[in-house]
Amino acid sequence: KQEVTQIPAALSVPEGENLVLNCSFTDSAIYNLQWFRQDPGKGLTSLLLIQSSQREQTSGRLNASLDKSSGRSTLYIAASQPGDSATYLCAVEWRDAGNMLTFGGGTRLMVKP
Amino acid sequence: DGGITQSPKYLFRKEGQNVTLSCEQNLNHDAMYWYRQDPGQGLRLIYYSQIVNDFQKGDIAEGYSVSREKKESFPLTVTSAQKNPTAFYLCASSPRDGSNQPQHFGDGTRLSIL
Repeated sequence: KQEVTQIPAALSVPEGENLVLNCSFTDSAIYNLQWFRQDPGKGLTSLLLIQSSQREQTSGRLNASLDKSSGRSTLYIAASQPGDSATYLCAVEWRDAGNMLTFGGGTRLMVKP
Repeated sequence: DGGITQSPKYLFRKEGQNVTLSCEQNLNHDAMYWYRQDPGQGLRLIYYSQIVNDFQKGDIAEGYSVSREKKESFPLTVTSAQKNPTAFYLCASSPRDGSNQPQHFGDGTRLSIL
């Protein structure tokens, strides 16, 4: 079964800390992997998309890596700020699933001032 | 500004009642999706549509119905057969297969039982 898992479910860090969020997936036959941010009561905002042929993507203080062979992706946030507090979700588009995404359960991040 | 509009933001359903959630997009995307999100959990796919007048069941379609009469619109009806409808419903859209573009999401509709 194709599944996506995110651990931990919640994380609390002091402001300024560098942090890593983890995402694991059970099938290496992926088309891409996407990271989203969700603020309370809101929809999802796309942060980064890593294509199957890529190893990482960067946007500002965010860096996402992809290792298909081990079934893992990480989202690295540098110099965290209170405004980074949100839930971060990863999602996989499998090769045999068209445009459909399978989501992990998310990591709820709290950055304390 | 291009985007996805969901309405209403909050919706209450009475016993035995069908309710319809609206989703409109002006991004000219072919594909549209409906997801359900329960507290503290990820998203689960209800229905999706790759093109007008065509749609497919997702993982949890029972108790829901959709239509896709226009490219811009993909309404979701939560029927009385859905015994546990309380959840946050998210609509999304994307270009068609093979584009490697992320899905765009609306701001969601929160549905509760009266």
